[in-house]
Amino acid sequence: GQNIDQPTEMTATEGAIVQINCTYQTSGFNGLFWYQQHAGEAPTFLSYNVLDGLEEKGRFSSFLSRSKGYSYLLLKELQMKDSASYLCAVRSYFSGGYNKLIFGAGTRLAVHP
Amino acid sequence: GAVVSQHPSRVICKSGTSVKIECRSLDFQATTMFWYRQFPKQSLMLMATSNEGSKATYEQGVEKDKFLINHASLTLSTLTVTSAHPEDSSFYICSARDDGLALEQFFGPGTRLTVL
Repeated sequence: GQNIDQPTEMTATEGAIVQINCTYQTSGFNGLFWYQQHAGEAPTFLSYNVLDGLEEKGRFSSFLSRSKGYSYLLLKELQMKDSASYLCAVRSYFSGGYNKLIFGAGTRLAVHP
Repeated sequence: GAVVSQHPSRVICKSGTSVKIECRSLDFQATTMFWYRQFPKQSLMLMATSNEGSKATYEQGVEKDKFLINHASLTLSTLTVTSAHPEDSSFYICSARDDGLALEQFFGPGTRLTVL
């Protein structure tokens, strides 16, 4: 089966750095995604990792270690608008030639002044 | 960028009625679309994978006769919640995989369904 774990809630201060961890167990691993979701809205794409290492995109960076089944999302220079849920999602390849994106439960981040 | 639309954005219906939700890829072709359901403060749960021209693939525990999926064209998939009940009230989100971008997947804005 598949299992994706991430912390339920985190708090941080405006201007600080926060790291959101995600561990996963899956077969047919074919990439890991991070999405941001504000309440009542659809997820928006933040990052994608398929090889080990760090991917940096502005204030957001994402890291992947396939051997450890581990990823993290790093948010720098936090802003109040970064208060949202952050979803770790694993894409897995299934027999029959198709991929599925399975989501973790999400981490609700609250940024305080 | 790629855009996926959903209609309606919000619907309120009486128990026992059926509700159809449309998902459209506006500027790309999508052989494959996905339907998710999200309950308050929970993550997205994959319901089914919709394939153009063939039957949808449902996840375990999802009733295919209750959640009818039709993917009649490369830009449109519909989800019909038949005989809706209050427990079907949820946020339904579709996503579409861009055939031209090899695995890129884009999400629609979601549909809030409330069954009275």
